[in-house]
Amino acid sequence: EVQLVESGGGLVQPGGSLRLSCAASGFTVSSNYMTWVRQGPGEGLEWVSVLYSGGTTKYADSVKGRFTISRDNSKNTLFLQMNSLRAEDTAVYYCALYHDSSGISPGAFDLWGRGTMVTVSS
Amino acid sequence: DIQMTQSPSSVSASVGDRVTITCRASQGISSWLAWYQQKPGKAPKVLIYAASSLQSGVPSRFSGSGSGTDFTLTISSLQPEDFATYYCQQANSWPITFGQGTRVEIK
Repeated sequence: EVQLVESGGGLVQPGGSLRLSCAASGFTVSSNYMTWVRQGPGEGLEWVSVLYSGGTTKYADSVKGRFTISRDNSKNTLFLQMNSLRAEDTAVYYCALYHDSSGISPGAFDLWGRGTMVTVSS
Repeated sequence: DIQMTQSPSSVSASVGDRVTITCRASQGISSWLAWYQQKPGKAPKVLIYAASSLQSGVPSRFSGSGSGTDFTLTISSLQPEDFATYYCQQANSWPITFGQGTRVEIK
């Protein structure tokens, strides 16, 4: 079965760190564009970061310099290291598979995990 | 960054109604637009990609149109399972950005 399963969320104090994981099954993480998208409580969707199959990374300005996206090919898993966390980082974090122009659903996120909740509060 | 603006923010409709949601991009994005449906507590689900292509498995009552800066999502005959929040998303350039969402409520 093709799926994504996130883990690693929780409650952390401002300034703290957290590492999210996204375990993929049914396809190869390293062959695809893998992303993190977040949604604050009662808010809309915000793209956070992308890791290209070739290794290029991009980040939203709101997290640049604080978050790092990476993958472990042997575990077929995507990660998001989050440092210097702020209250405004409180959100459900989704791992999502994105298709570029050559993909089956070009320009769309067509596979999502169920999300993991991150709460930044003292 | 490209700003995506949806209208209306919410709409009340009855089963069987035709519902239209619009999305405007702050600059031209060709046909690089997707639409998503999200139900409470669930992840978004892609309905339409490339402005008008129906994602596999999505009912044909959903359709998308537009190019450049103005786009439309139409639900031809609203069903009970369609009450949800809908988002547009541009894929013309990074950062990928989403509209603020349109909530479709039961009238």
